[in-house]
Amino acid sequence: QVQLVQSGAEVKKPGSSVKVSCKASGGTFSSYTISWVRQAPGQGLEWMGRIIPILGIANYAQKFQGRVTITADKSTSTAYMELSSLRSEDTAVYYCARVSYGIVDYWGQGTLVTVSS
Amino acid sequence: QLVLTQSPSASASLGASVKLTCTLSSGHSSYAIAWHQQQPEKGPRYLMKLNSDGSHSKGDGIPDRFSGSSSGAERYLTISSLQSEDEADYYCQTWGTGIRDVVFGGGTKLTVL
Repeated sequence: QVQLVQSGAEVKKPGSSVKVSCKASGGTFSSYTISWVRQAPGQGLEWMGRIIPILGIANYAQKFQGRVTITADKSTSTAYMELSSLRSEDTAVYYCARVSYGIVDYWGQGTLVTVSS
Repeated sequence: QLVLTQSPSASASLGASVKLTCTLSSGHSSYAIAWHQQQPEKGPRYLMKLNSDGSHSKGDGIPDRFSGSSSGAERYLTISSLQSEDEADYYCQTWGTGIRDVVFGGGTKLTVL
């Protein structure tokens, strides 16, 4: 059974950075891509970027280019998403998701990031 | 640019059936999609992958009440014998250019009356 377990909720000040982790188990970590998706309060799902763990190559949505960094540690089957220069509009639940041939087939439980002064 | 279009809301009665629609933008009618369910205050859950020919494969533990079908650029999710716990947001999802991006529809909020 594949599981993606994310780190806990965070409260951050505007202008700071946050790093969320996503530990995978039950599957072959390097055989898939891991995407990060966020959901602002009352809004839909928004794709931020992805990483191919076996290659260490990351791609980002244009909206987040320059502010987001996605990495992966194959030795611990863990992916990370770091978002910098946080503003109040970044308050959201952040999800990691396993992607197989373009389809999200497993989700993490979500991590609430609150940006507030 | 690939766009997935969903109606913002739908409603149906307890015990009835409902069919939700996701429409692929022009030129993308051969794409497979996925359906995801998000119950209130919960994270999304993968329901199924739905191919252009209507064949589909469901995620772990998804009941038989959930099925998918396709016609041209439209992808459908049918939920039969509606239960109260089916009241949720339903999102369709596929991939973007060069399979690099992930694309979501805007979601349909299903109300069970």
